[in-house]
Amino acid sequence: KNEVEQSPQNLTAQEGEFITINCSYSVGISALHWLQQHPGGGIVSLFMLSSGKKKHGRLIATINIQEKHSSLHITASHPRDSAVYICAVIRSNYKLTFGKGTLLTVNP
Amino acid sequence: GAGVSQSPRYKVAKRGQDVALRCDPISGHVSLFWYQQALGQGPEFLTYFQNEAQLDKSGLPSDRFFAERPEGSVSTLKIQRTQQEDSAVYLCASSLNTQVVGELFFGEGSRLTVL
Repeated sequence: KNEVEQSPQNLTAQEGEFITINCSYSVGISALHWLQQHPGGGIVSLFMLSSGKKKHGRLIATINIQEKHSSLHITASHPRDSAVYICAVIRSNYKLTFGKGTLLTVNP
Repeated sequence: GAGVSQSPRYKVAKRGQDVALRCDPISGHVSLFWYQQALGQGPEFLTYFQNEAQLDKSGLPSDRFFAERPEGSVSTLKIQRTQQEDSAVYLCASSLNTQVVGELFFGEGSRLTVL
């Protein structure tokens, strides 16, 4: 079993829909990153959180440390949101363990 | 530069060839990481530098893989006698501090294809 599990693996939505991507982990962590990866490889850090909730524009990330679960929400989705979203947990000062990613496709 | 720069972006190598992948982190960033990302998978940790010191190389898959950061800025990942299973995207990331509990900046990656 992977230490970091994401669901769903693939998600197709229509423009404007509310989207949720889930991340569950089985190890103790100090914090968690949500990352966005566009075709071609480049990765952008969206959020780093260790408790509660963070919001940036149409993106919202929540984490429940006790339940070892985090969610990434996208409100009013747009085709430009199409990308792979990756959850990565921080187990030590420098080591990240990544999920396999969720491929999101938003159709116009 | 403004961001983390990696080169080459794409590399095709014949099996057995040696390759060198370069990472130019954001100026002043102390921490530098190399990750390997196979197709359809999340990145996996290869090695970590704090300035010029390689503090962790536990993720390097074999002794054919070697990384260095001699002056604490630019880093090179070298793969000797490449094999088909080395085909992957190699990602470099840097961080201002010695921890990743903070913002992490990734390069665009170097996609290696071994024929």
